[in-house]
Amino acid sequence: GQNIDQPTEMTATEGAIVQINCTYQTSGFNGLFWYQQHAGEAPTFLSYNVLDGLEEKGRFSSFLSRSKGYSYLLLKELQMKDSASYLCAVPNSGGYQKVTFGIGTKLQVIP
Amino acid sequence: NAGVTQTPKFRVLKTGQSMTLLCAQDMNHEYMYWYRQDPGMGLRLIHYSVGEGTTAKGEVPDGYNVSRLKKQNFLLGLESAAPSQTSVYFCASSYRGQSNQPQHFGDGTRLSIL
Repeated sequence: GQNIDQPTEMTATEGAIVQINCTYQTSGFNGLFWYQQHAGEAPTFLSYNVLDGLEEKGRFSSFLSRSKGYSYLLLKELQMKDSASYLCAVPNSGGYQKVTFGIGTKLQVIP
Repeated sequence: NAGVTQTPKFRVLKTGQSMTLLCAQDMNHEYMYWYRQDPGMGLRLIHYSVGEGTTAKGEVPDGYNVSRLKKQNFLLGLESAAPSQTSVYFCASSYRGQSNQPQHFGDGTRLSIL
């Protein structure tokens, strides 16, 4: 089966850098997704990692270590609009059309 | 390009009533999904479909039925609503193929069962 752990809540200051961690357990690895979900809205895709290392997309970067079952999302130059939940998700090993989502990390950006 | 459209956006039902939630996507995606999202529990898969005419159970299928008669539509039915089904329901779709295909979500349906 799939198991995903991520912190429930985090608080960070506007302009700062924050790292949101995700650990996962899966019997067959098919990559890892990060989604952003603002309160009352739909999740939207941020990134996908399948190889080890850091992938950068503007202010957002995502890191993966397959050997450690670990990923993090790095948000730089935080803005108030980055206040949202960040969901870590992994495709199921038995058939990657299904994806297991973590409960999400609620990030609050304060002035 | 509308993406994934869910109707209705809000609904209040009484216990025992039935209703159908409609999801429509215009991206020609093969895969479609229904999730529910509850505080502290994240997104949980109810049912999914890998193509027209096919459906399968997800993590929490009890009390729900689905149909996919057309590729672009995925319907979620509640035959006899219960207060435990009060939730936010999201529909999503994705391309078939590689595991790197992200899911595209609708705006959600907020359902309250009294």
